[in-house]
Amino acid sequence: GENVEQHPSTLSVQEGDSAVIKCTYSDSASNYFPWYKQELGKRPQLIIDIRSNVGEKKDQRIAVTLNKTAKHFSLHITETQPEDSAVYFCAARGGLILTGGGNKLTFGTGTQLKVEL
Amino acid sequence: DTAVSQTPKYLVTQMGNDKSIKCEQNLGHDTMYWYKQDSKKFLKIMFSYNNKELIINETVPNRFSPKSPDKAHLNLHINSLELGDSAVYFCASSQETSYLDPSSTDTQYFGPGTRLTVL
Repeated sequence: GENVEQHPSTLSVQEGDSAVIKCTYSDSASNYFPWYKQELGKRPQLIIDIRSNVGEKKDQRIAVTLNKTAKHFSLHITETQPEDSAVYFCAARGGLILTGGGNKLTFGTGTQLKVEL
Repeated sequence: DTAVSQTPKYLVTQMGNDKSIKCEQNLGHDTMYWYKQDSKKFLKIMFSYNNKELIINETVPNRFSPKSPDKAHLNLHINSLELGDSAVYFCASSQETSYLDPSSTDTQYFGPGTRLTVL
């Protein structure tokens, strides 16, 4: 099945700096890669996603890049603000036909981002 | 107008008891999921139902039994609760789409979670 690794596990940045979180996946048939933000005590919420037919996607201060050859994807947050502090999860949707993974998401282990004033 | 709701929000119970968590979505989605998030924040899928049919069943003890009376509801029943079952359980839903279509939309929307504490 799919295996997703996420780094770093914790990340501390100064307000206004950029933050980068990286993930790798194992199933070459994976074709959908969402990123979720989870604030303390809250539910995970989708912040951006990317599909295998696209190499980069941007939404205001957030961007995601995908390298299918290397099987890794990254989240970039620019001009970080204190409200960006949260746990961020990457995920990958595994192959349905080739690997029998089903239409399911495998999540990374999460990155605790802290934006300091 | 809550999209995905769960009850109860908190559940504290003794070892050996049986308990249920309920989930409802009003998004008209075809697929619903149960996830377990442990104390280290790992999010792991447990089950997935599509139109009341079980499609994903991860390696979960058979003390856990999901039930979907209709496509808007997915409940989780847990028998003989153990200390290790303590976690936050999240329900989620998504519109069923084709894996083969890379442009398909299948965003998963999560419920608020149920914090289960087994004493």
